Amino acid sequence: GQNIDQPTEMTATEGAIVQINCTYQTSGFNGLFWYQQHAGEAPTFLSYNVLDGLEEKGRFSSFLSRSKGYSYLLLKELQMKDSASYLCAVGLGYNTDKLIFGTGTRLQVFP
Amino acid sequence: DADVTQTPRNRITKTGKRIMLECSQTKGHDRMYWYRQDPGLGLRLIYYSFDVKDINKGEISDGYSVSRQAQAKFSLSLESAIPNQTALYFCATSDAPGTPEIGQYFGPGTRLTVT
Repeated sequence: GQNIDQPTEMTATEGAIVQINCTYQTSGFNGLFWYQQHAGEAPTFLSYNVLDGLEEKGRFSSFLSRSKGYSYLLLKELQMKDSASYLCAVGLGYNTDKLIFGTGTRLQVFP
Repeated sequence: DADVTQTPRNRITKTGKRIMLECSQTKGHDRMYWYRQDPGLGLRLIYYSFDVKDINKGEISDGYSVSRQAQAKFSLSLESAIPNQTALYFCATSDAPGTPEIGQYFGPGTRLTVT
């Protein structure tokens, strides 16, 4: 079976740093994705990791350890607009066409 | 204009009715997907299509059917709607293997309520 775990909810303060963890156990792996989803809106692509290590993109960074089945999304200098759900997804099959999503982490940023 | 559009955006229907949700894309992607999202369950794949002649079942295809009318159009049908099909439905697209455009791109969603 496929299993992707991430915390249900997190809270943080504006300007702070928050780390959202994701662990996975899947039959196959071809990359790990992070998506951001504001309430009632479409998920939007944030990052993709296929090799171990850290990928940095502005205020957002994503880390992957394939041997541990673990990833995290790091958000720096939090802003109110970062309040959203963050979805971890594992790509299966050739070229990651099939994605298995975790249930998402709802992040609330307070002033 | 949005790259991936869905119609309708909201729909309320009664148990037993047939309903079709439509998805169109201008991204030129070959691959298209239908997901449903329920609170606490995340996004789950219903059907996917890698080209016009290719249709594949996802994790939760029972009670649903699809039609790929053209490269740019992928429709999802509920033949006889039931209340537990009440959910937020998303269409998504992705590019072919080997291209730099990684990941899936989602439409704005259709909120379906079955009473």
